[in-house]
Amino acid sequence: SQKIEQNSEALNIQEGKTATLTCNYTNYSPAYLQWYRQDPGRGPVFLLLIRENEKEKRKERLKVTFDTTLKQSLFHITASQPADSATYLCAATGEAGTALIFGKGTTLSVSS
Amino acid sequence: ETGVTQTPRHLVMGMTNKKSLKCEQHLGHNAMYWYKQSAKKPLELMFVYSLEERVENNSVPSRFSPECPNSSHLFLHLHTLQPEDSALYLCASSQALAGAINEQFFGPGTRLTVL
Repeated sequence: SQKIEQNSEALNIQEGKTATLTCNYTNYSPAYLQWYRQDPGRGPVFLLLIRENEKEKRKERLKVTFDTTLKQSLFHITASQPADSATYLCAATGEAGTALIFGKGTTLSVSS
Repeated sequence: ETGVTQTPRHLVMGMTNKKSLKCEQHLGHNAMYWYKQSAKKPLELMFVYSLEERVENNSVPSRFSPECPNSSHLFLHLHTLQPEDSALYLCASSQALAGAINEQFFGPGTRLTVL
């Protein structure tokens, strides 16, 4: 069955550094991937969407890449700040095409 | 109110109780979803509704019963739950079904504890 995997459960970095989170997909080829941010006790919030024919997408300090050969998306936060500390979820449309499949998420902690 | 709202935010119930979770979206969207989020697990899709019709039901036990009376409201009726059903229940909506490249807007969730 199709899977979205975020292999790093947690990532700890220092303020000002670039955080890089990884999302891998297996057993299918999604047409696009989405990234969400989730704070404790709250629902996820949409950040970025990237299509399979787009190599890279940027939004302010955020950058997402999509490598269909490696079956992988990378999510970067440059000049990270303590306020960036949260869980980041990768998602893609399932084969049924009706809803998203989510990875477990990577919890980012940025220390000052 | 804006966005997606959910009530109650917290719910504690016994295994023999019957309760309902409510979700309302104020975005004019046509698709609504129920997800279950347990610790250390990915979001699990439970139900999908498009224009008030259920389009997906992911092998969810019958003790969970969804209802979508109109495109703005979604309910999840709960009865005879088990302790392992304790989780954060999230409602989401999107302009159309996710296959049409639509971001999902989530509510804050209902934290459910089954004793």
